[in-house]
Amino acid sequence: QKEVEQDPGPLSVPEGAIVSLNCTYSNSAFQYFMWYRQYSRKGPELLMYTYSSGNKEDGRFTAQVDKSSKYISLFIRDSQPSDSATYLCAMKGAGGGNKLTFGTGTQLKVEL
Amino acid sequence: SAVISQKPSRDICQRGTSLTIQCQVDSQVTMMFWYRQQPGQSLTLIATANQGSEATYESGFVIDKFPISRPNLTFSTLTVSNMSPEDSSIYLCSVDSRADGYTFGSGTRLTVV
Repeated sequence: QKEVEQDPGPLSVPEGAIVSLNCTYSNSAFQYFMWYRQYSRKGPELLMYTYSSGNKEDGRFTAQVDKSSKYISLFIRDSQPSDSATYLCAMKGAGGGNKLTFGTGTQLKVEL
Repeated sequence: SAVISQKPSRDICQRGTSLTIQCQVDSQVTMMFWYRQQPGQSLTLIATANQGSEATYESGFVIDKFPISRPNLTFSTLTVSNMSPEDSSIYLCSVDSRADGYTFGSGTRLTVV
């Protein structure tokens, strides 16, 4: 079993829809949780960076962390065609070392 | 956040040859990270490069195959040696920008023929 599980999609939604992207994980030591957006032929771009459980909002994006369920989510409101990309979750522990563990990424397409 | 310049952006190489990928950061950073991204798979950490010391390699990656240099706090190189088609992948460098999280370069798309 992988440490981080993420549905690869593809996920196709109409413009303006609310998108929900999710990851589950098995390592209870993970404390820092990130969401990256990756456009084709580009490097990953950090969208959200959260510590421990709770919600964080930034514009149209909301990240949720539920450590009791080992489940994290990214919500995108009023989705736009420019949101079409692969979304990667990543996480790491609070201990020594800075190794990130990634999900496989979910491919999202927002249709006009 | 830090800005990373990575080159080459892509290359097509013959099997048995080596390719060196460069990563330049616009600010001084303690640790730089090298990742591999294979189609349909997660980003996998190859090694962590600290200035002034040997790189630390993850399980499954060895220095002879992926030698790394870290001559100063803003620059690192990763060499993919004695390449085979299985090395075809995207290679990415990354830094820990602390307050801003982890920043990635744009990647090097390598095809080995």
